[in-house]
Amino acid sequence: TQLLEQSPQFLSIQEGENLTVYCNSSSVFSSLQWYRQEPGEGPVLLVTVVTGGEVKKLKRLTFQFGDARKDSSLHITAAQPGDTGLYLCAGYSGAGSYQLTFGKGTKLSVIP
Amino acid sequence: GAGVSQSPRYKVAKRGQDVALRCDPISGHVSLFWYQQALGQGPEFLTYFQNEAQLDKSGLPSDRFFAERPEGSVSTLKIQRTQQEDSAVYLCASSKVEDRVEGYTFGSGTRLTVV
Repeated sequence: TQLLEQSPQFLSIQEGENLTVYCNSSSVFSSLQWYRQEPGEGPVLLVTVVTGGEVKKLKRLTFQFGDARKDSSLHITAAQPGDTGLYLCAGYSGAGSYQLTFGKGTKLSVIP
Repeated sequence: GAGVSQSPRYKVAKRGQDVALRCDPISGHVSLFWYQQALGQGPEFLTYFQNEAQLDKSGLPSDRFFAERPEGSVSTLKIQRTQQEDSAVYLCASSKVEDRVEGYTFGSGTRLTVV
């Protein structure tokens, strides 16, 4: 079983601060996805990264895929209360794999 | 429909009772997945359908769990003789075949509580 370790598990910050959350594995993933999940809802896809070293930006969110395709990070600039939620990384293990493996998530609280 | 619809949203079952959870995927989505999410954890894979064919059921935790998708659209996850450890949110997701860039679209889940 390929595991994705996310850190930190919990993060509470003030509005306007910057933060980075991490997703690490000892295994190589063909692609990694980041989802955000709000209480009582299903996860919603934010981004997919496919190429080692790839950086993608989505407004104030910056996603990076490690060169070896074993890790990824999510950086949020000037966090807003609307960013509050559970951030999950998930990966497909192989080129033909259809099964997403999820990390346990980082629970982010942004305090106004 | 516009999104993945799951029902019921909440289910309380007495230990030993059978339950059935329903998932209506996005129209035209060939792939359908069931995941189980325990409190404070990420979703864990249960089973995968491509149209009506169940291609992978390796994540089903016991033979009390059974899933079907007889006509390749609506799917039902059935849990027989529920146990307390079955308490979790059950998420259904659908996707286009091989569309791993767009990822899955998840429903809001069914929260099952076994008492």
